[in-house]
Amino acid sequence: EADIYQTPRYLVIGTGKKITLECSQTMGHDKMYWYQQDPGMELHLIHYSYGVNSTEKGDLSSESTVSRIRTEHFPLTLESARPSHTSQYLCASSESGRAGGLGEQFFGPGTRLTVL
Amino acid sequence: AQSVTQLGSHVSVSEGALVLLRCNYSSSVPPYLFWYVQYPNQGLQLLLKYTSAATLVKGINGFEAEFKKSETSFHLTKPSAHMSDAAEYFCAVSLMDTGRRALTFGSGTRLQVQP
Repeated sequence: EADIYQTPRYLVIGTGKKITLECSQTMGHDKMYWYQQDPGMELHLIHYSYGVNSTEKGDLSSESTVSRIRTEHFPLTLESARPSHTSQYLCASSESGRAGGLGEQFFGPGTRLTVL
Repeated sequence: AQSVTQLGSHVSVSEGALVLLRCNYSSSVPPYLFWYVQYPNQGLQLLLKYTSAATLVKGINGFEAEFKKSETSFHLTKPSAHMSDAAEYFCAVSLMDTGRRALTFGSGTRLQVQP
């Protein structure tokens, strides 16, 4: 079944630790995105990718980094986690196709990160 | 520049009452428009989308939205609210941006349903 997966769903970690949030999709989408969302707040785009070896920073500055070595995989890494990184992180993907498709994005379930 | 505005960050209705969540967009060309719903501790789920076919779009869970070009609006409605409708709702607009299609989200509206 075509879907988009995120692991872990919940992560509690101490300050200074390196973490990687995983995101994988089985829909064959070229475009993938990472959003940061504080509880009850709007979405902020922090990274996106239009294909393998393509990554761009989003509208909100973030200390995290991403990589896109395989089409289906778009991990996000924090080299040294801080309490200010506590948030929910949502991964999404969208199709390409003629004229970029509709632009509709499909979302994973999210990772709720807490940095102590 | 494309933008989407959701009026009202919080909306509260009684169970069985009409739900109306407002969304206005700014664009010189008709965009593609979407409504997403987010339940607590979950990702966003697509409710419905407008793709320049019928102006009245029906979605899941009894929701529908009407595209009104003259008002640049795409309000979400449901005739009778259920307790299970309590969630965060996001309107989004999709436009071509420097040759690529980009999606912009509104700030969201939290719907509360009172028993």
